[in-house]
Amino acid sequence: EPEVTQTPSHQVTQMGQEVILRCVPISNHLYFYWYRQILGQKVEFLVSFYNNEISEKSEIFDDQFSVERPDGSNFTLKIRSTKLEDSAMYFCASSERGNRPQKQTGLFFGQGTRLTVV
Amino acid sequence: AQKITQTQPGMFVQEKEAVTLDCTYDTSDPSYGLFWYKQPSSGEMIFLIYQGSYDQQNATEGRYSLNFQKARKSANLVISASQLGDSAMYFCAMREVLSSARQLTFGSGTQLTVLP
Repeated sequence: EPEVTQTPSHQVTQMGQEVILRCVPISNHLYFYWYRQILGQKVEFLVSFYNNEISEKSEIFDDQFSVERPDGSNFTLKIRSTKLEDSAMYFCASSERGNRPQKQTGLFFGQGTRLTVV
Repeated sequence: AQKITQTQPGMFVQEKEAVTLDCTYDTSDPSYGLFWYKQPSSGEMIFLIYQGSYDQQNATEGRYSLNFQKARKSANLVISASQLGDSAMYFCAMREVLSSARQLTFGSGTQLTVLP
């Protein structure tokens, strides 16, 4: 069964360093997302990406964050200068269709990257 | 205002019993989708079940069913014949289809513990 793949599974970085989180969405999916979950809290939307551009972003997704689809398969989240409060589980997700209710099958999530900023 | 409310931070159920996890939502969008995800202690998010706002019948997927009451804006998850492996955090989520935002909005989750 196709799945969303994220690497690495766990990353430890020093405060102020740049990190890149990588994702390979399901191959026929068109919409891509990043979410994060601070330990013990709810899952929060960061950004959605469609047709090679950002379609929506939350207030969390400030200038320190960027996303890219450098080739036909990878989808990356970059945090330029990490802060302690960026420590969280980061989930990549993809979906086949964005907004056709009769065809919705949910967002399929990767297994997450646990980012620890020290 | 909260778009998705899960009022049960923790629930316990005896193995083989059924359990209902509550979820209420708030939207003015006439077209929306409701989702349930399972998050075991390993951290991954597992899609369980989907209900569209125009679906006439309640969604079912194996031991999971969704008790959708549109007028009450509730979308409770029912797990029948609970198994020890069902112990996990469960999140209800909504996507408002016609709004400009297409992302999922999650509730705060319910931690389910299945007792042997």
